[in-house]
Amino acid sequence: DGGITQSPKYLFRKEGQNVTLSCEQNLNHDAMYWYRQDPGQGLRLIYYSQIVNDFQKGDIAEGYSVSREKKESFPLTVTSAQKNPTAFYLCASSTMGQGETQYFGPGTRLLVL
Amino acid sequence: KQEVTQIPAALSVPEGENLVLNCSFTDSAIYNLQWFRQDPGKGLTSLLLIQSSQREQTSGRLNASLDKSSGRSTLYIAASQPGDSATYLCAAPMTTDSWGKLQFGAGTQVVVTP
Repeated sequence: DGGITQSPKYLFRKEGQNVTLSCEQNLNHDAMYWYRQDPGQGLRLIYYSQIVNDFQKGDIAEGYSVSREKKESFPLTVTSAQKNPTAFYLCASSTMGQGETQYFGPGTRLLVL
Repeated sequence: KQEVTQIPAALSVPEGENLVLNCSFTDSAIYNLQWFRQDPGKGLTSLLLIQSSQREQTSGRLNASLDKSSGRSTLYIAASQPGDSATYLCAAPMTTDSWGKLQFGAGTQVVVTP
């Protein structure tokens, strides 16, 4: 089945620790995105990528980093510089072009110990 | 900058009633608007995408309208069912030059009671 997978489903971070969230897609999409969702709020864009080895900051990139070494993969690292990382993280992908539908993964919930 | 607002934040209706969900956006020069559904603790599922040249888009019991001049979109769900209980989000492109970046509303949480 084609789709987007995210792992793990739940992730716990200790003080000062960097953690990495996985996102993989087999839809052959060029564009991939990372969003953060806080309770009662809409999604906010962290990073996005249009092509391998290239990515741009979204609205709330501080404290996060990404890589795009393969078309299928777009991992997100939550660094120790992110002081309020507790949230629901969603990965999405789409074909290139104006107004293309974005397809979402099931999400990763990050909690701080 | 595009801003997207959804009112009300929550809505409860008895089964069988029609649902009307509202979405407002500030930049009327959009080229499309999308509606998504999110179940608790899950990712988003695309429901409908309306192009700027369209006034309506329909899929089964769902109908979405787009009025660019007033900066509004409405999602209608006919004959609601308990399975329609979810949060519904709308999203518009961040700028007219955007190829994929979306600005999301905070969503409307819907509960359909049997």
